[in-house]
Amino acid sequence: EVQLVESGGGLVQPGGSLRLSCAASGIIVSRNYMSWVRQAPGKGLEWVSVIYPGGSTFYADSVKGRFTISRDNSENTLSLQMNSLRVDDTAMYYCARELAGHFDLWGRGSLVTVSS
Amino acid sequence: DIQMTQSPSSLSASVGDRVTITCQASQDISNSLNWYQQKPGKAPKLLIYDASTLETGVPSRFSGSGSGTDFTCTISSLQPEDVATYYCQQFDNVPTWTFGQGTKVEIK
Repeated sequence: EVQLVESGGGLVQPGGSLRLSCAASGIIVSRNYMSWVRQAPGKGLEWVSVIYPGGSTFYADSVKGRFTISRDNSENTLSLQMNSLRVDDTAMYYCARELAGHFDLWGRGSLVTVSS
Repeated sequence: DIQMTQSPSSLSASVGDRVTITCQASQDISNSLNWYQQKPGKAPKLLIYDASTLETGVPSRFSGSGSGTDFTCTISSLQPEDVATYYCQQFDNVPTWTFGQGTKVEIK
């Protein structure tokens, strides 16, 4: 079965760090364009970051310099290292596969809450 | 940055009604437009890509049209299982993807 499963979310204080993981089955992470998309409570969708098969990475302005996307080819996982977290980073974080401009495969999400 | 504006923000319609959601881009994006359905507590699901191509498995009552700056997503006959929030998304200026703010569809 093709699926993405996120983990690593939780409660963290402002200024803290958290690392999200996305375990893939049925697809090879390193051969796909993999993104993180987030959704603040009761709000819309916001693209966060992407990693290309060649290793290039890109970020939304709102997280640039604080978040780092990476992958582990041996584990077939995608990760998002989040530093200097702010209250407005509170959201459900989804990993998703991007295919020719559209996101065709999504995980169930991992909730990150930034609060003191 | 390309901004995406959806209207209405919410709507209520009866089962069997024809429902139309619109999405306007702040600049010409050709047909670089996708639509997603998100049910409460679930991840988004791709409905339509490249403005008008139905994703495999999506019921034929869903359709998409438009190009340039103006796009529509239509449900020809609203069903109870269509209750969800619908989002448009542009991919004209990758590697940046932008979503509309969403349209919540409810049953009257």
